[in-house]
Amino acid sequence: KAGVTQTPRYLIKTRGQQVTLSCSPISGHRSVSWYQQTPGQGLQFLFEYFSETQRNKGNFPGRFSGRQFSNSRSEMNVSTLELGDSALYLCASSRDPAGELFFGEGSRLTVL
Amino acid sequence: AQRVTQPEKLLSVFKGAPVELKCNYSYSGSPELFWYVQYSRQRLQLLLRHISRESIKGFTADLNKGETSFHLKKPFAQEEDSAMYYCAPTMTGANSKLTFGKGITLSVRP
Repeated sequence: KAGVTQTPRYLIKTRGQQVTLSCSPISGHRSVSWYQQTPGQGLQFLFEYFSETQRNKGNFPGRFSGRQFSNSRSEMNVSTLELGDSALYLCASSRDPAGELFFGEGSRLTVL
Repeated sequence: AQRVTQPEKLLSVFKGAPVELKCNYSYSGSPELFWYVQYSRQRLQLLLRHISRESIKGFTADLNKGETSFHLKKPFAQEEDSAMYYCAPTMTGANSKLTFGKGITLSVRP
């Protein structure tokens, strides 16, 4: 079966811009979670969605937001980009919350 | 507050040596316990979960509820074990929250 797909894979933005990242989960998976991965901080939880509802949110500023659609696809948005937002953003899907996570390859964001 | 600690950032061993990757957690309740692994140029993937009690690629993880630890062990490391390892205790239920440790890089030298 197809794995978790994230688009775009790479993108470069400048400070102050905004960005939208997309994640298509494995078919049948209703839970989608997002993470920011950086060398210094490891994997940091951004938010989790299940059946279009945000179940949990990590400790990130309000510039970071997300949503989930009825087909379980999810998007995350970062507004007013800062240099420190440069990171690999990973999406993971699971059949249900707290289940095994299946990760995408990530979207690598560079903010100049 | 939920907290997971992987005290070391890097562990370097020779092939054939034993490996122990440490994970300590501080949770109110009984989380389900996972270890995830990321090999070079591959996706992050599940290595093992405590509830299944399986040994994957020779790795096992022992839950010590008294010490709230879930250390990952392998008696004889192989070069292909070189990767980044993340511990992930996960609360289930309505208050489930996904938390990962900062990860540890395991380097197995020939």
